[in-house]
Amino acid sequence: DIVMTQSPNSLAVSLGERATINCRSSQSVLYSSNNKDYLAWYQQRPGQPPKLLIYWASTRESGVPDRFSGSGSGTDFTLTISSLQAEDVAVYFCQQYFSGPFTFGGGTKVEIK
Amino acid sequence: QVQLVESGGGVVQPGGSLTLSCAASGFTFKDYAMHWVRQAPGKGLEWVAVTPYDGTSKFHAASVRGRFTISRDNSKDTLSLQMNSLRPEDTAVYYCARGGTSSAYSFSDNWGQGTLVTVSS
Repeated sequence: DIVMTQSPNSLAVSLGERATINCRSSQSVLYSSNNKDYLAWYQQRPGQPPKLLIYWASTRESGVPDRFSGSGSGTDFTLTISSLQAEDVAVYFCQQYFSGPFTFGGGTKVEIK
Repeated sequence: QVQLVESGGGVVQPGGSLTLSCAASGFTFKDYAMHWVRQAPGKGLEWVAVTPYDGTSKFHAASVRGRFTISRDNSKDTLSLQMNSLRPEDTAVYYCARGGTSSAYSFSDNWGQGTLVTVSS
């Protein structure tokens, strides 16, 4: 199984400041045939189901604010919130869908400092 | 708009069975893969199972393989999860999620509100 490791477990960021979340996979999730990284990011607010933010490592889902961006390839990925807003308080998860089981990272809790 | 509504959760004794259903609407169900994902109380997300658009294959997590079975009925726009030999560690909110593509190898772009399964004596 591919193990997804997120860091940090939690972070507190001031409003308007940048938040950076890292995700590392135990093996590459880059499919050479189509040059796509099978990596997604989700946001889960308290009491809500997860919401897709980013797929193919860097493609923003429709309707997601452009302050959210994804980067990285192979085994190392980053979710960046360029200017943290109050509504961004949530837990963020990465997931690989390259190889079953389609494992999630442990989550990163983002709070306001 | 896409709607996914789970049902069938509840309290069941260890060793018991339960069938979850997910009613889909607002999109062409037969064109998309469908996933089940669960979340134990206060814990992270665990992928459970997926079936591609036509239901011809099914993939399950090792933790549920042989006990749970995912299935779909494209004539009724419904996804199901048959759960047998339930264990206390299966206690979780179970989410139905639409795949972003027709392939099983897909992210989940829309999620239901979830249904709670509690396995306890």
